[in-house]
Amino acid sequence: AQRVTQPEKLLSVFKGAPVELKCNYSYSGSPELFWYVQYSRQRLQLLLRHISRESIKGFTADLNKGETSFHLKKPFAQEEDSAMYYCALKDTDKLIFGTGTRLQVFP
Amino acid sequence: KAGVTQTPRYLIKTRGQQVTLSCSPISGHRSVSWYQQTPGQGLQFLFEYFSETQRNKGNFPGRFSGRQFSNSRSEMNVSTLELGDSALYLCASSLIPGSSYEQYFGPGTRLTVT
Repeated sequence: AQRVTQPEKLLSVFKGAPVELKCNYSYSGSPELFWYVQYSRQRLQLLLRHISRESIKGFTADLNKGETSFHLKKPFAQEEDSAMYYCALKDTDKLIFGTGTRLQVFP
Repeated sequence: KAGVTQTPRYLIKTRGQQVTLSCSPISGHRSVSWYQQTPGQGLQFLFEYFSETQRNKGNFPGRFSGRQFSNSRSEMNVSTLELGDSALYLCASSLIPGSSYEQYFGPGTRLTVT
């Protein structure tokens, strides 16, 4: 069955530390993966998608088909990165979300 | 360009009642998807509409239904409410279905069932 797993509910780091938010998926076929972010009191919004291979707000994510992972990384966390992060898999036009990881960046 | 709007923003209902939630997509967007967000289950796909047709449906009981109008506005209905239906209901719109098109989310409707 198609599934997205985010093993960490909470990740706490200090400002300037590297961040890695883990995401593993289960999908039969060629996956299309996304990271969504929800800042406090704001809407869920797209952060990045793997097909774009882009860096947004310093975040990158590489699709590793061998490990079925799509971890989100940032070399130096900022306080404004504190938010809820969701990994999502597109399956026939619907999104399957992981349970999310709350990132807390302390000053 | 105005974003996705959802009405009402908050709703309190009692068990057994029914409720209708509304979603207005971004102008020009023709695809609308609905998701249920709860602390325990996270975000779960309910259904997707395009051109007034349901294209996709998630694993929810028949008490959950929806429709889309010719102006792309969508409604979802939950009948015979249960306590477990308390959740944040999000809708998202995109230009047309397909992974190339970003889904834009609304602020959600917070439904509380007592």
